[in-house]
Amino acid sequence: AQTVTQSQPEMSVQEAETVTLSCTYDTSENNYYLFWYKQPPSRQMILVIRQEAYKQQNATENRFSVNFQKAAKSFSLKISDSQLGDTAMYFCAFMKPYEGNEKLTFGTGTRLTIIP
Amino acid sequence: DAMVIQNPRYQVTQFGKPVTLSCSQTLNHNVMYWYQQKSSQAPKLLFHYYDKDFNNEADTPDNFQSRRPNTSFCFLDIRSPGLGDAAMYLCATSRAGQLKDQPQHFGDGTRLSIL
Repeated sequence: AQTVTQSQPEMSVQEAETVTLSCTYDTSENNYYLFWYKQPPSRQMILVIRQEAYKQQNATENRFSVNFQKAAKSFSLKISDSQLGDTAMYFCAFMKPYEGNEKLTFGTGTRLTIIP
Repeated sequence: DAMVIQNPRYQVTQFGKPVTLSCSQTLNHNVMYWYQQKSSQAPKLLFHYYDKDFNNEADTPDNFQSRRPNTSFCFLDIRSPGLGDAAMYLCATSRAGQLKDQPQHFGDGTRLSIL
């Protein structure tokens, strides 16, 4: 079974600063997908960014980027120029790409607070 | 807008009294998921439907059941809620084979309280 670990339960940074959230995972699979989901207070969980394990290039989405280290099984999220709207719970998630049985395994989350 | 809708947003029930949570979607996704999320914890998958095929997680208690009468609707039934079942329940959908490319779409959740 896969496990996903987020070692930072809470983080806070000043607005406009850069912050990095950590995620490690354990799997024996060679091909898989990794995701960061954001859950704002009292709002829907939404996808922030995804990474395919067989791609060496780190994914980027505007202010969000990842540092994917496959050998180390590490998948950190960097948020640049942080904004107040980035305040949320952030969940790292893992998926094996088996059609019909696609399931996400989530980490325990990091509560990020952006300070004005 | 196409979306995943969960009703109600807040549900209060008594210890041992059956309760049903509902989820509907307008995305025409063939996979629907139910998660349990307790405070400051990761969402925990209870089960999912792939079309009409029900897939139960090994550690989901028998107290939790689900029904999917059609593509659009999925229900979570808790037969005899205990205090430990108080949590946020999240419904999510996806299109089979596309989860690697398309996000899983989540509803707002139903917060269940047990008296």
